[in-house]
Amino acid sequence: SQQGEEDPQALSIQEGENATMNCSYKTSINNLQWYRQNSGRGLVHLILIRSNEREKHSGRLRVTLDTSKKSSSLLITASRAADTASYFCATPPNTGFQKLVFGTGTRLLVSP
Amino acid sequence: NAGVTQTPKFQVLKTGQSMTLQCAQDMNHEYMSWYRQDPGMGLRLIHYSVGAGITDQGEVPNGYNVSRSTTEDFPLRLLSAAPSQTSVYFCASSYSGTEKYGYTFGSGTRLTVV
Repeated sequence: SQQGEEDPQALSIQEGENATMNCSYKTSINNLQWYRQNSGRGLVHLILIRSNEREKHSGRLRVTLDTSKKSSSLLITASRAADTASYFCATPPNTGFQKLVFGTGTRLLVSP
Repeated sequence: NAGVTQTPKFQVLKTGQSMTLQCAQDMNHEYMSWYRQDPGMGLRLIHYSVGAGITDQGEVPNGYNVSRSTTEDFPLRLLSAAPSQTSVYFCASSYSGTEKYGYTFGSGTRLTVV
């Protein structure tokens, strides 16, 4: 069963706009990670936020984590066509970091 | 270039055939995992390993075997292929312990079972 559920399932925006996608998870976690997958490619790790952190930035990415609501959001500012991809959240259960469990993903389309 | 290498990239099997998907990493990562990705299902964990000689089952292990004789290699064996195993398979690796790092993924193997 999936640990994380992303919302929305699909998002279509124009270049320059911001894109926000959300992730909800079910059990307590040590950290939450976001990955990007371009069509036909493997996943690329974007950012990791620990359970004791509330916000983290990396370039145009901003991730927030609310452990009381068991949710996280990924914000991509000033989107570019190259940001078109699927985005997944992933969480390791407390039983082991090696068992990373993925959500079903948000498909982002950024149009020029 | 350092990373995770998967071979083959594409494979077509007949029902009942067996095969091995290869995965190798050159980053000295302790953790390695195999996932399958099906439309609308996200990625599901098949098997994982925390080090040479140590493997364990994930969410969907039936029909698959793994071994980890070296740190670098983590092959996935399909024992008797079934159409339900048609999927894209990803191998991934990571450092252990501090939870500071995410996983590095290979580019995938697209498998079709007819």
